[in-house]
Amino acid sequence: QVQLVESGGGVVQPGGSLRLSCAASGFTFSSYGMHWVRQAPGKGLEWVAFIRYDGSNKYYADSVKGRFTISRDNSKNTLYLQMNSLRAEDTAVYYCAYGPRGFREIAYWGQGTLVTVSS
Amino acid sequence: SYVLTQPPSVSVAPGQTARITCGGNNIGSKSVHWYQQKPGQAPVLVVYDDSDRPSGIPERFSGSNSGNTATLTISRVEAGDEADYYCQVWDSSSDHYVFGTGTKVTVL
Repeated sequence: QVQLVESGGGVVQPGGSLRLSCAASGFTFSSYGMHWVRQAPGKGLEWVAFIRYDGSNKYYADSVKGRFTISRDNSKNTLYLQMNSLRAEDTAVYYCAYGPRGFREIAYWGQGTLVTVSS
Repeated sequence: SYVLTQPPSVSVAPGQTARITCGGNNIGSKSVHWYQQKPGQAPVLVVYDDSDRPSGIPERFSGSNSGNTATLTISRVEAGDEADYYCQVWDSSSDHYVFGTGTKVTVL
């Protein structure tokens, strides 16, 4: 079955950097686009970024564009999110997710990893 | 940017019907998807493409979409349906995924 396991979360100071990883299994990772979605404590879902199956195109929410970079290594079945210039408002649980039908529904979600930006 | 607006909360008695709306400009022209999220858990897809259900989702969950409003309907509500619900679309004009503001469903 599909498994998405995020790692790399933790506490980081404002202005710092962090890289999240998502290990995928149970499906042909190299055939599907992947998302990062986040949820601040007590708040709603916010889409962060999407990368096409081959990494050829990347899309970002306005709130993270220029600071975050989504990437993937299809040889390792792993998705990444490089987060730079972190702000307090980036504090959230970050979910790795995907949907088999491209720019449609998100059918599968990981359990999330918590990022806390605080001094 | 495209905005999806949901009521913050909906309360419903067990066995009754809950209706959760999702408002957006000409949302009827887009495919709407709905997610259920219980505390401390990842979201779960309950309706996709306006009205289709993934396997394993009870028939009590249904959806519709027309004009400026999409609706998720939960029939014969059970205590286990208590959760937050989010609508979502892909906005092709901005190449952004957009989530609704979320609705907390409380079973009385």
